[in-house]
Amino acid sequence: DTGVSQDPRHKITKRGQNVTFRCDPISEHNRLYWYRQTLGQGPEFLTYFQNEAQLEKSRLLSDRFSAERPKGSFSTLEIQRTEQGDSAMYLCASSTGTRLPISYNEQFFGPGTRLTVL
Amino acid sequence: KNEVEQSPQNLTAQEGEFITINCSYSVGISALHWLQQHPGGGIVSLFMLSSGKKKHGRLIATINIQEKHSSLHITASHPRDSAVYICAVRGGSQGNLIFGKGTKLSVKP
Repeated sequence: DTGVSQDPRHKITKRGQNVTFRCDPISEHNRLYWYRQTLGQGPEFLTYFQNEAQLEKSRLLSDRFSAERPKGSFSTLEIQRTEQGDSAMYLCASSTGTRLPISYNEQFFGPGTRLTVL
Repeated sequence: KNEVEQSPQNLTAQEGEFITINCSYSVGISALHWLQQHPGGGIVSLFMLSSGKKKHGRLIATINIQEKHSSLHITASHPRDSAVYICAVRGGSQGNLIFGKGTKLSVKP
């Protein structure tokens, strides 16, 4: 399967614990996006990477959230001291951003990681 | 007011019916996406368009840039079309998407 993959698919944790999610984009894609989706809402942008550089962060990304893409391939999203409000689906997407005008590149989504904070 | 508004929020149809989902946006965009999300969360891109009309099988997407409006049509709907359909626009230079809240479609046999 050469699509976007995410791990784990589900995570249940207790409030106050740290969690880390992983996203593996499509191999030739140099842009990687993280989104968060709460129940009944559309996804909301969190942050995005161009290769290993984190170029934009949403105000939704509090100090407890950190994302990395150390080698420009897979990315991790860590949430420290989780709160019940962090419960959501965390979606990763990737796109090329090179051959076509950047603004027209299609994003391909992973299956998401569903986080439940008890 | 949200930057991307979809209507209706919920839609129930009988198998075979023609379905229309609408999306209006208030920001300047470079492209608009229609996405499908099934229970369990996975999102599939149906269309990306910046003008005119695109067709894929029983799905048709149109966009009117001047009116800042797009529609997704499903012809001869089928129960397997039941899903949440999300409109998303690409506004910024960085390419991140701004999403609508989605339209939950249920097609009854």
